[in-house]
Amino acid sequence: KAGVTQTPRYLIKTRGQQVTLSCSPISGHRSVSWYQQTPGQGLQFLFEYFSETQRNKGNFPGRFSGRQFSNSRSEMNVSTLELGDSALYLCASSLGVQAMNTEAFFGQGTRLTVV
Amino acid sequence: AQRVTQPEKLLSVFKGAPVELKCNYSYSGSPELFWYVQYSRQRLQLLLRHISRESIKGFTADLNKGETSFHLKKPFAQEEDSAMYYCALSRAGGTSYGKLTFGQGTILTVHP
Repeated sequence: KAGVTQTPRYLIKTRGQQVTLSCSPISGHRSVSWYQQTPGQGLQFLFEYFSETQRNKGNFPGRFSGRQFSNSRSEMNVSTLELGDSALYLCASSLGVQAMNTEAFFGQGTRLTVV
Repeated sequence: AQRVTQPEKLLSVFKGAPVELKCNYSYSGSPELFWYVQYSRQRLQLLLRHISRESIKGFTADLNKGETSFHLKKPFAQEEDSAMYYCALSRAGGTSYGKLTFGQGTILTVHP
């Protein structure tokens, strides 16, 4: 089956702009989580969506937001971009419900560069 | 607050030598622990989880609740084991697999 797909793979934006990243989960997965990966902070949890509702949230400012559609696809938006937002943004999908051997599958990521 | 600590950023061993990647955690509830691996130019993928008590690619990890550790071990390292390894934690219960707390990662290099 197809894996988690993130688009676009690379983005260059200017400070102050906004950006939208997209994630298509594995078919049948209802949970989509977003992570920010940077050399200094490592992998940090942004938020998780399950059945179109935000279920978990990390410690990021309100400029970071997301949503999930009825087909479980998710988008992440960052407004008023700052240089420090430059990072690899990873999306992960999982069943999202209690089940044996469920796991999170990661996408290839979107590399965002803010200049 | 939950935290995962991987004290070694870099770890180098020779092929055939034993390897141990350390992971310590702090969590007030009942955690589930995982090891994820990222090979060069590949996506992050699950290596193993403590509840399965399985061995994957020769790696094992035992959850030690007394020492709050989940160290990853392999008796004989192979060159293809060279990768970035992340220890991760989530709240027990499948509904929480959506939120993982990661350590900073350890880059393992296995020399021929």
